[in-house]
Amino acid sequence: DIEMTQSPSSLSTSVGDRVTITCRSSQNINTYLNWYQQKPGKAPKLLIYVASNLQSGVPSRFSGGGSGTDFTLTISNLQAEDFATYYCQQCYSTPPTFGGGTKVDIK
Amino acid sequence: EVQLVESGGGLVQPGRSLRLSCITSGFTFSDHPMSWFRQAPGKGLEWIGFFRSKAYGGTAEYAASVKGRFTISRDDSKSIAYLEMNSLKTEDTAVYFCASGTFLTFDYWGPGTLVTVSS
Repeated sequence: DIEMTQSPSSLSTSVGDRVTITCRSSQNINTYLNWYQQKPGKAPKLLIYVASNLQSGVPSRFSGGGSGTDFTLTISNLQAEDFATYYCQQCYSTPPTFGGGTKVDIK
Repeated sequence: EVQLVESGGGLVQPGRSLRLSCITSGFTFSDHPMSWFRQAPGKGLEWIGFFRSKAYGGTAEYAASVKGRFTISRDDSKSIAYLEMNSLKTEDTAVYFCASGTFLTFDYWGPGTLVTVSS
């Protein structure tokens, strides 16, 4: 199975800040990497697919990049509704595996 | 509007069985694979398995942690996916989600249903 490692596991930040979350895969997955946002008690929401493609309806302050084994999710001008946990997920092969999550909370 | 709603969760004793349903609407169910996930309290997301659409063979794949105990099925005529869970263990306690999308990208999720395995 492909192991996904996210960092940091948590971060405290403020509205208006720029946040970058990193995700590393245990093997080359090209750009087969998705990002999800999850709020407490809710289902995950797809934000970005295949590393850099913004899902329909997702604000443009979210962006993704990377290829191979190293990926980033950047949130520019963080808004109050962005405080949540973010997960990366490789969609390169079965089983699809997730990173451990990055909790973004208010400083 | 695409909707997925899980049902069938609850409290169950270790060793017993439970069947979850995922009732869907708003998309062509038969064209899409259906997946199940779970999230133990305070933990991350775990893929359980999926059932491919007929166009892609109509077969299932499972995570090693549940293979042989859990079975995924689907009824394309009713737009419902199922997760049959047997020989439940305390460590199966989690919120269970169904999701759809393309192969290994999951666009739409249900709100989840809590399964608690306890004596």
